[in-house]
Amino acid sequence: SQTIHQWPATLVQPVGSPLSLECTVEGTSNPNLYWYRQAAGRGLQLLFYSVGIGQISSEVPQNLSASRPQDRQFILSSKKLLLSDSGFYLCAWSKGSGQPQHFGDGTRLSIL
Amino acid sequence: GESVGLHLPTLSVQEGDNSIINCAYSNSASDYFIWYKQESGKGPQFIIDIRSNMDKRQGQRVTVLLNKTVKHLSLQIAATQPGDSAVYFCAENAGNMLTFGGGTRLMVKP
Repeated sequence: SQTIHQWPATLVQPVGSPLSLECTVEGTSNPNLYWYRQAAGRGLQLLFYSVGIGQISSEVPQNLSASRPQDRQFILSSKKLLLSDSGFYLCAWSKGSGQPQHFGDGTRLSIL
Repeated sequence: GESVGLHLPTLSVQEGDNSIINCAYSNSASDYFIWYKQESGKGPQFIIDIRSNMDKRQGQRVTVLLNKTVKHLSLQIAATQPGDSAVYFCAENAGNMLTFGGGTRLMVKP
């Protein structure tokens, strides 16, 4: 069966520090991969998605970037965090368009 | 832009009753819809999906209804249990992306 892992589960970072969140998927190959951000009590905002290694699409202008160095690895990064980057970050995978997305348990990021 | 939304932000039901959570969508090109359940501190969990060539689909204690004429989606939960308490999101699929509604919080009273 397929599984998705995100880490860390929680992270507290100072303003201006760098960020690296990692997501890996097991049990499938060539998945579509997604990064979302969820503000408290709100819906999910798509940040990035990838249909293959090295292919990244950005949905919103922001202080973050994403990379996919391996087929089942998706990384969310920032060079300098802003207070507004606080939130709950979720990684998801799917087999392709028109297929359900399956989510990890997220990283709660707090910026001080 | 086109969006997906929910009619009721909070729904409170008695344990054992049926729950109905509603969702409106506006993108007539969407052909695939999903319901997710999200518990506190966790990622959304897939519940059930439906494609636009269907108007009803049933799972274990859950039924999704799709009315394309009025662009409406609903999730019915039979015999609601305390473990059903969570936030429920509908999502519509267009291409490689899902657009999520704002969520409805379901509270189950014992």
